Parts: sequence; structure tokens; C-alpha cells
Amino acid sequence: GQNIDQPTEMTATEGAIVQINCTYQTSGFNGLFWYQQHAGEAPTFLSYNVLDGLEEKGRFSSFLSRSKGYSYLLLKELQMKDSASYLCAVSLEGPGANNLFFGTGTRLTVIP
Amino acid sequence: DVKVTQSSRYLVKRTGEKVFLECVQDMDHENMFWYRQDPGLGLRLIYFSYDVKMKEKGDIPEGYSVSREKKERFSLILESASTNQTSMYLCASGLLGTGELFFGEGSRLTVL
Repeated sequence: GQNIDQPTEMTATEGAIVQINCTYQTSGFNGLFWYQQHAGEAPTFLSYNVLDGLEEKGRFSSFLSRSKGYSYLLLKELQMKDSASYLCAVSLEGPGANNLFFGTGTRLTVIP
Repeated sequence: DVKVTQSSRYLVKRTGEKVFLECVQDMDHENMFWYRQDPGLGLRLIYFSYDVKMKEKGDIPEGYSVSREKKERFSLILESASTNQTSMYLCASGLLGTGELFFGEGSRLTVL
């Protein structure tokens, strides 16, 4: 079976740095994705890691260790608008490799 | 911009009714997906399609069927709605060979 673990909720202060961890055990692996979902809205793509290491994209960075089944999303210089759920997802092997298995998400609250 | 449009944002149906949820994407993506999202359970894959007239079962296909007669349109069908199918339904599309998905705004279905 497939399993993705991430914390249910986190709170951080505006301007600070927060790290959201994700561990996974899946039958296949073709990449690790992070999506952001504001309340009442559709998820939107944030980042993608297929090789070990850090991918940086502005204030957001994502890290992957395939041998450990571990990823994290790092958010710097937090803003109030970063309050959202952050979904970790694994791309499972298969035709087209779009088949994503999602974790339950981490709800981040940014406080002043 | 990629646009994935779901036909209804909110629906209320009665137990036993047949329900159609329509999804249209305008980016010529090969792959389309239907997920449902429930609190504490995250996004779960119902069905997906890699091409016209092709479909694959996801993790929770029971009680659902799909139709893909045209590349841009992917329909989810509940043959006989039940109360446990009350949920937020999200359609997504993506390019073959990439993991990035583009989501619609969602259809919140309530079955009474």
C-alpha cells in the first residue's frame, strides 16, 4: 500500500522560516510534488523533486532524499498569504506518470 | 493560462439519483483525473484517463464511473448517489510524462 505522513497543522510567525516535513512509503516513485491549497480553492503546483537535493524557487525550497523516503518544504520570509494547506504528493510509476498519491496535507497558519 | 473548468460548484442531490460531474480543460492535455477530497483523508484518486475512451481505476472507484469521449472533456458519473458520496470533487489535467497537475475549482456535492 501507499502511505504519506505529514503534520496535520503548523503555526508560524510572519517573517519567520517554517519547514514542513513529509515522509513516504510507496510502491513506486517517479517524483515528489508539493501543492498549495488555500481554503475553498483548488490546489496549485509549488515544486517538484525527482533527484536528491534541494530545489529553490524564490521564497520556497523543497528537498528530497529518496533513500530516506523524506522530503521537506521550506518557506522563508513568511507572509500572511502563505496561510494555506500544503500537500505532499508522490508520482507513482505508470503510464504517463501523472498518477499522484497525496498526503492529507499540512494546514499552516501564519500569525502576525 | 491553463484552465480546467468544472460544470457545477455546488450540487445537492437525493439518494439514488444519477449525478453527472463535467470537467473541461483547454490545454490539450492527454491525462485527466478525478479526485475526491474529504477532511482528514486528503485527496483520493477515483479514476483517471490517459487518452480518449481510455480509463483506469484509481484508489476508490467503487460507486463511480467515467466517460472520456473527447480529449478535452472528462465526466464523472455517480449511477446511484449515496450519502457517503457527499464530498468535494476535484478534476485535474496534466501533460503526459510530467507530474504537474492543473486542478479545477472543485464541485461540492451534497447527497441527502
